[in-house]
Amino acid sequence: DIQLTQSPSFLSASVGDRVTITCRASQGISTSLAWYQQKPGMAPKLLIYAASTLQSGVPSRFSGSGSGTDFTLTISSLQPEDFAAYYCEQLNTYPSTFGQGTKVEVK
Amino acid sequence: QVQLVQSGTEVKKPGASVKVSCKASGYTFTANFIHWVRQAPGQGPEWMGWMSSSSGGTFSAPKFQGRLTMTRDTSIGTAYMEMSGLTSDDTAVYYCARGSGADNWRRLDLWGQGTLVTVSS
Repeated sequence: DIQLTQSPSFLSASVGDRVTITCRASQGISTSLAWYQQKPGMAPKLLIYAASTLQSGVPSRFSGSGSGTDFTLTISSLQPEDFAAYYCEQLNTYPSTFGQGTKVEVK
Repeated sequence: QVQLVQSGTEVKKPGASVKVSCKASGYTFTANFIHWVRQAPGQGPEWMGWMSSSSGGTFSAPKFQGRLTMTRDTSIGTAYMEMSGLTSDDTAVYYCARGSGADNWRRLDLWGQGTLVTVSS
């Protein structure tokens, strides 16, 4: 199975900060990577797919980049509603796999 | 309204089976795959498998092969996930999710609200 390693696992930030989360795959996955946001007690919500395509309705402060094995999710200016957990998922090869997550907390 | 609505909380004893339903509305059910993802308490999501809503074909992660059965009833736009041989390690919230796109554009773009399955003696 392809392993995804996210970093950091926890991130303390303030409103207005620029936040970057990385996801590294154990082997090349082209651009077949999605990013999700999850708030407590809720289902994950798709933010980005194909590494850099913004899902409809998602604010433009979210962006993604990368290909092959290294990917990033960037929030350009953190908003109060962005404090949540974030997960990457590779869909290049089944079984699909998720990263272990990054929790973005209030500093 | 485009949504996936799942069945309610389940409590099962070790060794039992559980069947969770996922009803689609607001889109053509047979146009997309349905994926199943679970999340144990305090853990990240774990992908379990997919089912073609049109053909009924399935693919399960090796970890779940032999225990996971995915089916659908196209007449009512509903997918089902059945897991047998439950242990306490299967205690989790189970989600269905709609798969969209192909190749590098695959994604899970619509999720059910989740079904909590608790396995306890």
